[in-house]
Amino acid sequence: SYVLTQPPSVSVAPGKTARIPCGGNNVGSKTVHWYQQKPGQAPLLVIHYDSDRPAGIPERFSGSNSGNTATLTIGRVEAGDEADYYCQVWDSSSDRGVFGGGTKLTVL
Amino acid sequence: EVQLLESGGDLVQPGGSLRLSCAASGFTFSNYAMSWVRQAPGKGLEWVSVISGSHGSAYYADSVRGRFTISRDNSKNTLYLQMNSLRAEDTALYYCAKTQIAVVVPSTYFDCWGQGTLVTVSS
Repeated sequence: SYVLTQPPSVSVAPGKTARIPCGGNNVGSKTVHWYQQKPGQAPLLVIHYDSDRPAGIPERFSGSNSGNTATLTIGRVEAGDEADYYCQVWDSSSDRGVFGGGTKLTVL
Repeated sequence: EVQLLESGGDLVQPGGSLRLSCAASGFTFSNYAMSWVRQAPGKGLEWVSVISGSHGSAYYADSVRGRFTISRDNSKNTLYLQMNSLRAEDTALYYCAKTQIAVVVPSTYFDCWGQGTLVTVSS
């Protein structure tokens, strides 16, 4: 089955840029989506189709996907961005949804 | 406004059964595939199952295939998950999630989520 790999944690100072990688075998050939989950809340879609932002998501959030790594980038990080972030694909070869293990973003 | 309200979570013994429901509003329910995603306490998200909008095509995670059945009643705008032969490892918060289109496609994602219903499997 297809596997997406994320680092357990990423730390960044306020105002800096955070980059959260999501690794997978030739993930660049798939479409990657990203979710933000704050404690006690349901996940929130922040990036779809690799790099598109849903309505209401700040421009500080961006995404890219190439080769074996997709990346969620958060510019000018704020304390309110502290959350768990998950990448997700649909694996057509097995007809399964796949989530990465999640990355906890800590704002120092 | 899209709203998804899950219900049916409970404490159940190993080997038992439970049926979860998700009441949808704010959109044309039959026009969208719907999914269940779960999250064990302190753990990450795990996709469970998805069902298309009207044709009833359904897909399952290997961990639940043969034990769980997803279904929907478009006349009632409700999604269901019938859970049989429950195990301790099924303990989780179960989220109902809307996809972006009626059928399952390679770009399938989940654009709206409910708040979840808690299933605890324990003796």
